[in-house]
Amino acid sequence: QQPVQSPQAVILREGEDAVINCSSSKALYSVHWYRQKHGEAPVFLMILLKGGEQKGHDKISASFNEKKQQSSLYLTASQLSYSGTYFCGTEKYGATNKLIFGTGTLLAVQP
Amino acid sequence: AAGVIQSPRHLIKEKRETATLKCYPIPRHDTVYWYQQGPGQDPQFLISFYEKMQSDKGSIPDRFSAQQFSDYHSELNMSSLELGDSALYFCASSRRGQGVNIQYFGAGTRLSVL
Repeated sequence: QQPVQSPQAVILREGEDAVINCSSSKALYSVHWYRQKHGEAPVFLMILLKGGEQKGHDKISASFNEKKQQSSLYLTASQLSYSGTYFCGTEKYGATNKLIFGTGTLLAVQP
Repeated sequence: AAGVIQSPRHLIKEKRETATLKCYPIPRHDTVYWYQQGPGQDPQFLISFYEKMQSDKGSIPDRFSAQQFSDYHSELNMSSLELGDSALYFCASSRRGQGVNIQYFGAGTRLSVL
């Protein structure tokens, strides 16, 4: 079953912060976060394993709560370049050869 | 750094025609994945290969087939094309031996079926 992301869309001013959530009904092995600009390839941001976190960028971080099967992506001091659609991609135990992407969150950062 | 290369970037086909999409993974990557993304949709997993063997299968129609060759490049073959096959097709690659399976995506092939 597809992970659900919230919010579906968010509009920010430059410098504001945002949190994007990803919730799964299945036990997860890992959570990957990607940003995709319109018509372009998804770009890897970071991966989280078993409750740990890895920073992909200075002002973007994430957490992973295994028990709740949830992950959150934190964007601080947003920049115009942060605009795009954010997807979480999840791997289940025993099925680590594919990513199941979440429903997506459209983020628009305005000047 | 070398990235995942996909060709062609754009493809226009008629209904019932066939199409072949190619993917060249990042050097030393041993796993290739194919995803289909419709307009406004999330990428949907189609199929993956590890060391030239199919490793997982998703929502890939029977009209589609894929393989990974000895040089690790992969091809997605699509036959009897339908209007609904119009989408962006992404290939991604990873190096599973690293222990952390990060997938890097190519720029995609935009397929339009008329």
